[in-house]
Amino acid sequence: QQPVQSPQAVILREGEDAVINCSSSKALYSVHWYRQKHGEAPVFLMILLKGGEQKGHEKISASFNEKKQQSSLYLTASQLSYSGTYFCGTTVHFGNEKLTFGTGTRLTIIP
Amino acid sequence: DTGVSQNPRHKITKRGQNVTFRCDPISEHNRLYWYRQTLGQGPEFLTYFQNEAQLEKSRLLSDRFSAERPKGSFSTLEIQRTEQGDSAMYLCASSLIAGGFGDEQFFGPGTRLTVL
Repeated sequence: QQPVQSPQAVILREGEDAVINCSSSKALYSVHWYRQKHGEAPVFLMILLKGGEQKGHEKISASFNEKKQQSSLYLTASQLSYSGTYFCGTTVHFGNEKLTFGTGTRLTIIP
Repeated sequence: DTGVSQNPRHKITKRGQNVTFRCDPISEHNRLYWYRQTLGQGPEFLTYFQNEAQLEKSRLLSDRFSAERPKGSFSTLEIQRTEQGDSAMYLCASSLIAGGFGDEQFFGPGTRLTVL
């Protein structure tokens, strides 16, 4: 089964914060986050490995709770360029890195 | 490093025809993946290679689909006897597997297939 993301869609004003969640029914090895703009390829944001680490990249960070098989993506002080659909991609064990993508979250940032 | 490239970017074909897509990965990457994406959905795994070896093929992939990666460089994905249900964006991604770390996959721009 594919991971479930929440919310399905969110509209924010520029400068507001957002949290996107990704939940899996399977034990996970890694969680990958991508942003995709309409008509374009997914763009890699970050990867989190089993171990509950949190990573950050400028104003975008993420966490991975391996006990709950959940990951969250945090977007702070959102910018117009953050608009797009966010997907989490998960793997279940090291060595087999095919990604199972989540249901997606559409983020719209308005001025 | 010019990233992952795919050709053609768009392909329109009639039902029953064969089509072939090409993917050129990032030069030093040893893994290459094919995914399919339909409107409003996340990418769906099709198959992947490590160097020239095809390691896994999705059970969702019918026998009409075949992929190759000769010499571990570029890859081709062929669809025989296309059906309207094959219409989708076909995405290629590549990565470098090294040591015990996660696999960052970088996607190409995709080939959009329309079957009439």
